[in-house]
Amino acid sequence: GAGVSQTPSNKVTEKGKYVELRCDPISGHTALYWYRQSLGQGPEFLIYFQGTGAADDSGLPNDRFFAVRPEGSVSTLKIQRTERGDSAVYLCASSPGLAGGGILGETQYFGPGTRLLVL
Amino acid sequence: GNSVTQMEGPVTLSEEAFLTINCTYTATGYPSLFWYVQYPGEGLQLLLKATKADDKGSNKGFEATYRKETTSFHLEKGSVQVSDSAVYFCALGGKLIFGQGTELSVKP
Repeated sequence: GAGVSQTPSNKVTEKGKYVELRCDPISGHTALYWYRQSLGQGPEFLIYFQGTGAADDSGLPNDRFFAVRPEGSVSTLKIQRTERGDSAVYLCASSPGLAGGGILGETQYFGPGTRLLVL
Repeated sequence: GNSVTQMEGPVTLSEEAFLTINCTYTATGYPSLFWYVQYPGEGLQLLLKATKADDKGSNKGFEATYRKETTSFHLEKGSVQVSDSAVYFCALGGKLIFGQGTELSVKP
């Protein structure tokens, strides 16, 4: 079956520009996550959706970062006024989000990532 | 807060050698523990997981046991292959908290 897909696979932009990164989760998964991975580091949590709502956005670094998931499926991560320090691989993951079970034990399935380079 | 500390790499081994990659954690409650692997040019994929103390996760010859008393989840494999060359990440469940990754290179 189809896994998590992310577009674009690569994005080059100039400092100060706005970018949108898209994630298509596995069909039927209600939980969706965004992470950021800098070179040589492990991924860092940004935001988690349960359905349409952001259940935890504590990892967003500042108010230039925003994410939406209006219909509970596809999600878009939006970065305003990009800075060179935003350059990284942005990863999306999804999990079933089983009711009542929480997400602590669920396996998250990752997409291939979007490599963002801010010049 | 919750955190994961992982053995630094890179680790270079000869084929058929024994592998251990250390992982220790700090956590409130009892979250699940995971090992993810990133093969060259590919995305992160789950290698194995354990959901409670004393659970052993295993897959592809790799094993790790959830040790509450030592707060550890060390990854082991008895005989590595060249195809195991990858970056391995230990992670704490929920909004996943990852270690910094350990690069493994296996030489023929």
